[in-house]
Amino acid sequence: GQNIDQPTEMTATEGAIVQINCTYQTSGFNGLFWYQQHAGEAPTFLSYNVLDGLEEKGRFSSFLSRSKGYSYLLLKELQMKDSASYLCAVRDANSGYSTLTFGKGTMLLVSP
Amino acid sequence: EAQVTQNPRYLITVTGKKLTVTCSQNMNHEYMSWYRQDPGLGLRQIYYSMNVEVTDKGDVPEGYKVSRKEKRNFPLILESPSPNQTSLYFCASSLSPPRGQGPQRGYTFGSGTRLTVV
Repeated sequence: GQNIDQPTEMTATEGAIVQINCTYQTSGFNGLFWYQQHAGEAPTFLSYNVLDGLEEKGRFSSFLSRSKGYSYLLLKELQMKDSASYLCAVRDANSGYSTLTFGKGTMLLVSP
Repeated sequence: EAQVTQNPRYLITVTGKKLTVTCSQNMNHEYMSWYRQDPGLGLRQIYYSMNVEVTDKGDVPEGYKVSRKEKRNFPLILESPSPNQTSLYFCASSLSPPRGQGPQRGYTFGSGTRLTVV
């Protein structure tokens, strides 16, 4: 089985930087994904990490440490539209290459 | 446009009345999956399918059925819906690339079906 933990809620101010952490326990790690989900909408892909290190994509970056079972999503220059839920998901090779298990999500509220 | 299409978007039904939520993808994906999303519980997998005629249970399969007779379609069937199946449902699909190959985007999700069982 897998256990994925992320904070339930976070708040930040427009223009600031926020880091959303995710810890996981899995027997056959094969990749970690971050998704963004606005209320009532489908999750949309943000980033993917399978090797240790930082992946940067515009205002968003994602970091992975496999030995620590730890990832974070870094959002820079926050905008009001970044208010959403951020989902950490882990792929386990023992469950098939495409099966993702999701954390419960972190609700980010960006205020003016 | 590459997409996963779910229907209906919204559905209110009564306890015990059989219903089907359809899901279709046009990306030739092998893998398809159904999730339900509930407040405080996140996305939980109901059933998944690795390919045509191959389906398996996820974490919360009770009360649901699926079929995969064609590659593009993966309907979710509630034979006798109950109020505890009131939820937001998502269908998702992906390629099943060999490890380390191909674009890695995980799933493409449908727009969701909000089901209320009264």
